[in-house]
Amino acid sequence: DVKVTQSSRYLVKRTGEKVFLECVQDMDHENMFWYRQDPGLGLRLIYFSYDVKMKEKGDIPEGYSVSREKKERFSLILESASTNQTSMYLCASSFGQGLLESAAFFGQGTRLTVV
Amino acid sequence: RKEVEQDPGPFNVPEGATVAFNCTYSNSASQSFFWYRQDCRKEPKLLMSVYSSGNEDGRFTAQLNRASQYISLLIRDSKLSDSATYLCVVTDYTGGFKTIFGAGTRLFVKA
Repeated sequence: DVKVTQSSRYLVKRTGEKVFLECVQDMDHENMFWYRQDPGLGLRLIYFSYDVKMKEKGDIPEGYSVSREKKERFSLILESASTNQTSMYLCASSFGQGLLESAAFFGQGTRLTVV
Repeated sequence: RKEVEQDPGPFNVPEGATVAFNCTYSNSASQSFFWYRQDCRKEPKLLMSVYSSGNEDGRFTAQLNRASQYISLLIRDSKLSDSATYLCVVTDYTGGFKTIFGAGTRLFVKA
């Protein structure tokens, strides 16, 4: 079974703090993704990565950055947390490229509250 | 117009009922299609892929209509455990990779 693990289930951070969300997958997947999910808005893609040290902006990258130093690990960084970044953050991974791409498998999610 | 649209529901059905969800997508170049299931406060999990020829997995049937740009999910003989949010997912490769999730359709199955 694919396992995608996020470092925390729940986090509470203060406005202005730098926040790190970590994600690790154990299936040697090339592709990794960070989404946020908010009521009524569904899942929105923040950043994704096709390979080590590679990153691409998704639909809502503002206020976020990412790091992929190793194939199995994809980190999401909130440079200066704000209250509008309170959300559920979901990491996902998949294998393949283009038409051979598999469906994505998700981690359990991190519910971040910024106060 | 949203790239992937779903009726948010909720759909309230009795056990044993048949229920169908539709999902429309705007990009005719979309290539891959999936249905995911998400339980309350849990992560989305792949329910099934959707192929051009249609596919069935037990009580679940998925169909793709490229001409009208929609996919559907049919659930027969609904169980209480089918209560969840069902997410439609579309992937296209035009001008770069993009996977888009619908906002989801909520289903409540009642005894």
